[in-house]
Amino acid sequence: AQTVTQSQPEMSVQEAETVTLSCTYDTSESDYYLFWYKQPPSRQMILVIRQEAYKQQNATENRFSVNFQKAAKSFSLKISDSQLGDAAMYFCAYRSAINAGGTSYGKLTFGQGTILTVHP
Amino acid sequence: ETGVTQTPRHLVMGMTNKKSLKCEQHLGHNAMYWYKQSAKKPLELMFVYSLEERVENNSVPSRFSPECPNSSHLFLHLHTLQPEDSALYLCASSSDSSSYNEQFFGPGTRLTVL
Repeated sequence: AQTVTQSQPEMSVQEAETVTLSCTYDTSESDYYLFWYKQPPSRQMILVIRQEAYKQQNATENRFSVNFQKAAKSFSLKISDSQLGDAAMYFCAYRSAINAGGTSYGKLTFGQGTILTVHP
Repeated sequence: ETGVTQTPRHLVMGMTNKKSLKCEQHLGHNAMYWYKQSAKKPLELMFVYSLEERVENNSVPSRFSPECPNSSHLFLHLHTLQPEDSALYLCASSSDSSSYNEQFFGPGTRLTVL
């Protein structure tokens, strides 16, 4: 079974600075997907960024980027120019693809989460 | 309404009550999920429905009973719950039209069992 580990329960950053959240995972599969989700105090889980394992280029979404190291099974999230609205719990997630009746659906395995505080 | 909605947002119930959580997705997705989020624990997948068929049941106690009457609606029927079942229950949906099959989440129902 896959496992996802986020070793930083809490992180903090000054507004406008850069912060990196770490995530490692364990799998025997060669093809999979990785995600970072953000859960602000309002509780709505929002997809931040996604990465395909067979793409070597690191995904980027505006101020959010990842450092995907497949051999090391590491998938860290970098937030540049941090804003107060970035304060949230961040979850790293691994997706296994499972086929059911010809339709695939995404089974996600989540890490424990990292609480990010942004100081003004 | 857009995205994934859940009702109620908050629920307090006694151990002998019967209640239901409702989830509705307005995204045209074909898979729906129930997760349990407890404090200091990773999200736990409870059930998965793909094309209205239950395809995953992760050893969830029978006091939780899911129902998926169509591809847009998902229910979680609750009966004789325990205090340790108090948690945030999240619903999500996804579509296999996207290779990522990313899941879109609802705002959750905060459940307290007295």
